[in-house]
Amino acid sequence: ILNVEQSPQSLHVQEGDSTNFTCSFPSSNFYALHWYRWETAKSPEALFVMTLNGDEKKKGRISATLNTKEGYSYLYIKGSQPEDSATYLCAFSRGSGGGADGLTFGKGTHLIIQP
Amino acid sequence: NAGVTQTPKFQVLKTGQSMTLQCAQDMNHEYMSWYRQDPGMGLRLIHYSVGAGITDQGEVPNGYNVSRSTTEDFPLRLLSAAPSQTSVYFCASIDVGRSDTGELFFGEGSRLTVL
Repeated sequence: ILNVEQSPQSLHVQEGDSTNFTCSFPSSNFYALHWYRWETAKSPEALFVMTLNGDEKKKGRISATLNTKEGYSYLYIKGSQPEDSATYLCAFSRGSGGGADGLTFGKGTHLIIQP
Repeated sequence: NAGVTQTPKFQVLKTGQSMTLQCAQDMNHEYMSWYRQDPGMGLRLIHYSVGAGITDQGEVPNGYNVSRSTTEDFPLRLLSAAPSQTSVYFCASIDVGRSDTGELFFGEGSRLTVL
């Protein structure tokens, strides 16, 4: 069983502040690292899928980095807005199965943006 | 765009009853999977399918059956419901041609309570 750890478990941030949180995963047999955003009463939606060590991806005010050698990824949110409030999930896949035979998910970071 | 459609959204069962959670996608995705979400835990893979006629077990398959007779449909069957199967269930599919690193597309979830 793979362990994907996310920290912190929850986070309160003032509107306008920037924030980041961490996903750690096994560094052996790495294939891909996914980030999903999950709003209350909705289904998770993909933010990023990263495969290469050193990858950096950006979507608007949200960006992510990947270090496969040490087994961690950071998600950054710049200038937090109330609509950023959500649970952010990371998920790891190993080997050639990739996402097809399932991802191992962390428990998520629950982000609350306070006006 | 329908995407991934799950039914029912809510269901209450008595212990020992059987039922089927339906999942359909209209994106021509070869890969489909079922996850369950429990409090304090990450999404856990129940079963997955890499194409019509092919299914395999995930991390927590006991008590569940699946079949994949068409590309579009991937129903999840609970043979004899138990209180431990009280959970929120998500169906997800993966983009064709990006099976190894493609993002998951989730349905809206089905909340099941077993009394």
